[in-house]
Amino acid sequence: NAGVTQTPKFQVLKTGQSMTLQCAQDMNHNSMYWYRQDPGMGLRLIYYSASEGTTDKGEVPNGYNVSRLNKREFSLRLESAAPSQTSVYFCASLGGTRYNEQFFGPGTRLTVL
Amino acid sequence: RKEVEQDPGPFNVPEGATVAFNCTYSNSASQSFFWYRQDCRKEPKLLMSVYSSGNEDGRFTAQLNRASQYISLLIRDSKLSDSATYLCVVINNAGKSTFGDGTTLTVKP
Repeated sequence: NAGVTQTPKFQVLKTGQSMTLQCAQDMNHNSMYWYRQDPGMGLRLIYYSASEGTTDKGEVPNGYNVSRLNKREFSLRLESAAPSQTSVYFCASLGGTRYNEQFFGPGTRLTVL
Repeated sequence: RKEVEQDPGPFNVPEGATVAFNCTYSNSASQSFFWYRQDCRKEPKLLMSVYSSGNEDGRFTAQLNRASQYISLLIRDSKLSDSATYLCVVINNAGKSTFGDGTTLTVKP
């Protein structure tokens, strides 16, 4: 049981390049989330998926697209990276037997030059 | 106004002190409330779920006040290992999740 996994752990891009951040969970959770965290700030929601086949915008969706490929996987795509997208990206899934809590992946540290 | 607001601190307290954090939220449709702990920009980890009836886990007590739309976290007998950033999070009935910016706690010997 790996929980929530994210790849890659680190990435450096040049302005204008594209990339996809991958996230997978093996806990059979319905809801999944993508956040970004900038220095000194809390997590800001980019997109979320309440169930397989649905996605909704969060607080800061501009410049990103998402795909809920199946129940396990939720990917985040940057089509044309900008320096303002330099951040730590966390994926989470929501579920649990005791609390309906979010479980987080280890994060992807992205730098856009 | 932010949807979820926390006192950013920092809070610097001696070992053994009692410290309290508050978090206010603006969306009355909010349904679930949690406190998370985050160390050195690692992934957040669940600390406690928050209920109107209160929730206690050892030295930690969380409380929800729906009428005033705030949640609180009380830490008693602070330990050095409690030093971290504490994040409140609110989830609405559509599953949308909103985090506060976090409150930084440093416990000193």
